[in-house]
Amino acid sequence: QVQLVQSGAEVKKPGASVKVSCKASGYTFTSYGISWVRQAPGQGLEWMGWISAYNGNTNYAQKLQGRVTMTTDTSTSTAYMELRSLRSDDTAVYYCARYSSSSDYWGQGTLVTVSS
Amino acid sequence: QSALTQPASVSGSPGQSITISCTGTSSDVGGYNYVSWYQQHPGKAPKLMIYEVSNRPSGVPDRFSGSKSGNTASLTISGLQAEDEADYYCSSYTSSSTLEVFGGGTKLTVL
Repeated sequence: QVQLVQSGAEVKKPGASVKVSCKASGYTFTSYGISWVRQAPGQGLEWMGWISAYNGNTNYAQKLQGRVTMTTDTSTSTAYMELRSLRSDDTAVYYCARYSSSSDYWGQGTLVTVSS
Repeated sequence: QSALTQPASVSGSPGQSITISCTGTSSDVGGYNYVSWYQQHPGKAPKLMIYEVSNRPSGVPDRFSGSKSGNTASLTISGLQAEDEADYYCSSYTSSSTLEVFGGGTKLTVL
């Protein structure tokens, strides 16, 4: 069965970076993309971007351009999302999902807390 | 402010039908048949309920249906059940530099 398992919760100080991992199993990793979506406490879903696991092409949300990098390691079927220069409003649950025309299977989410 | 507009809340009684709207523009909802709907229960990850406007993934009850007219997509849930109480989000492919956009979400209350 398709599963995406994310890394554990993180606490970071403002200005630091965080890297969240997302290990996929149960399907051919390079046949799909990976999307990243975040959700601030009590707020809605926010699209962060997408990476092709086939060729590494990426598309990032405009508001995160320059601060976010998405990568994949096809040898371990793992996707990564790094967010730099963290601010308090980056506090959120970060989700990865398998993506074709929609995000059909989701990870369990990773809480990233940014606090001094 | 979200790119797609959804009502903040809707409600219905068990057995009734409800419809949630999702309004965008010709650059997203109106221009492409790539509208998805997600259900999210508190503290849980979102779950895909509808993709490509009207298609249901395997395992999603046929009580859930999707449609689109112009720049507005809709999710209809018929025969409401208590477990349908959740937040619902629409999303759409967009021709802007951001690949996809979400609606602000709709809280469904089953009375």
